Amino acid sequence: QQQVKQSPQSLIVQKGGISIINCAYENTAFDYFPWYQQFPGKGPALLIAIRPDVSEKKEGRFTISFNKSAKQFSLHIMDSQPGDSATYFCAASIEWGEGFGNVLHCGSGTQVIVLP
Amino acid sequence: DTEVTQTPKHLVMGMTNKKSLKCEQHMGHRAMYWYKQKAKKPPELMFVYSYEKLSINESVPSRFSPECPNSSLLNLHLHALQPEDSALYLCASSLTPGRSGELFFGEGSRLTVL
Repeated sequence: QQQVKQSPQSLIVQKGGISIINCAYENTAFDYFPWYQQFPGKGPALLIAIRPDVSEKKEGRFTISFNKSAKQFSLHIMDSQPGDSATYFCAASIEWGEGFGNVLHCGSGTQVIVLP
Repeated sequence: DTEVTQTPKHLVMGMTNKKSLKCEQHMGHRAMYWYKQKAKKPPELMFVYSYEKLSINESVPSRFSPECPNSSLLNLHLHALQPEDSALYLCASSLTPGRSGELFFGEGSRLTVL
């Protein structure tokens, strides 16, 4: 059973546009929601993360919006650049968890293509 | 540059070969992980080492054998693999086992099984 659902599977945006990726989760025990960015042939890299006690976190052009009641969160990439073209994975975990929570549950990934 | 180093970057092996993937980190992290990633899919957890002890084994076939010689090193021994095992194998680490959401990934070892 997929713990985190991610959409869209892919998106194409013009340079300067906004890329939006959405994720939803079921397990209310999750309390740490990172986003990973992966370029072709490279390992994923932690991009930005949020905890459910805040509704929004911004780092540069990247913003996470979090809706705890809806169990949804999203990544917004403002002023998208060709260098942002990559696959983005949302994920969920229990920050100080053990056992079941001691794993990273990833969404299926979104391939973002930013046209010059 | 990633602080988790994986070798080799590429490996081609036959189904009867025995090979190993190696991973090293010097960040003082106490949890290390092996993930398998197929094309256009998210990483799938294989093994978790917590303070050098295997703590999670996600029902991975015995042809994959992990080893954690010390807190900085993680190996994945491969034997009698199948073509469907061809994938990107990612090593990762986290500060502690509890911080499993904040992973530092290596660049991966691209494995091709002929």
